[in-house]
Amino acid sequence: SAVISQKPSRDICQRGTSLTIQCQVDSQVTMMFWYRQQPGQSLTLIATANQGSEATYESGFVIDKFPISRPNLTFSTLTVSNMSPEDSSIYLCSVEGDRGLNEQFFGPGTRLTVL
Amino acid sequence: QKEVEQDPGPLSVPEGAIVSLNCTYSNSAFQYFMWYRQYSRKGPELLMYTYSSGNKEDGRFTAQVDKSSKYISLFIRDSQPSDSATYLCAMSSFSGGYQKVTFGTGTKLQVIP
Repeated sequence: SAVISQKPSRDICQRGTSLTIQCQVDSQVTMMFWYRQQPGQSLTLIATANQGSEATYESGFVIDKFPISRPNLTFSTLTVSNMSPEDSSIYLCSVEGDRGLNEQFFGPGTRLTVL
Repeated sequence: QKEVEQDPGPLSVPEGAIVSLNCTYSNSAFQYFMWYRQYSRKGPELLMYTYSSGNKEDGRFTAQVDKSSKYISLFIRDSQPSDSATYLCAMSSFSGGYQKVTFGTGTKLQVIP
């Protein structure tokens, strides 16, 4: 299984600012995923990031609000732009396993609070 | 209607009890069915994985899928305090070139010593 780390683990930010979350994987992976987990709600996929191509965003999420970079096969960033209190959530990155079973391995998450 | 429905709990049981966690779904395109366990302040970790109707057992855990009823379950035998966590069901279907995973809201389980 892949080992995934995220930075920062948590942050408290002011309204209107932006935060960039980093995701590092210990092995090369083709696809990386960014999720949001809000209290009492299911994990919601924000976007899928393939190395060398534009990220694919899910309905309700746009690149201007959540720009994503994928510079190589082990790293990705998600930026939460122009934050509001509604963006307070846990943000998780994940990667697919390599056993062809469609399992996903998750990072520990970044707990974001916007004041 | 949500694609995946899961009772959020919380569920509190005594140590040694049998725990039953359930999800229903509406999308017939779901092909793979998973259960994730998430401890507090951690990311979800894959617990069980199955792709066909029937039962799959792994130690104290049994995953059950009934595609005709669109219903999946996770049973935990001889539950332990270390099983206290949030359990998320998840299902995937092929969409946009990859297996897209849809998660339930999670059931919070507490096993009391």
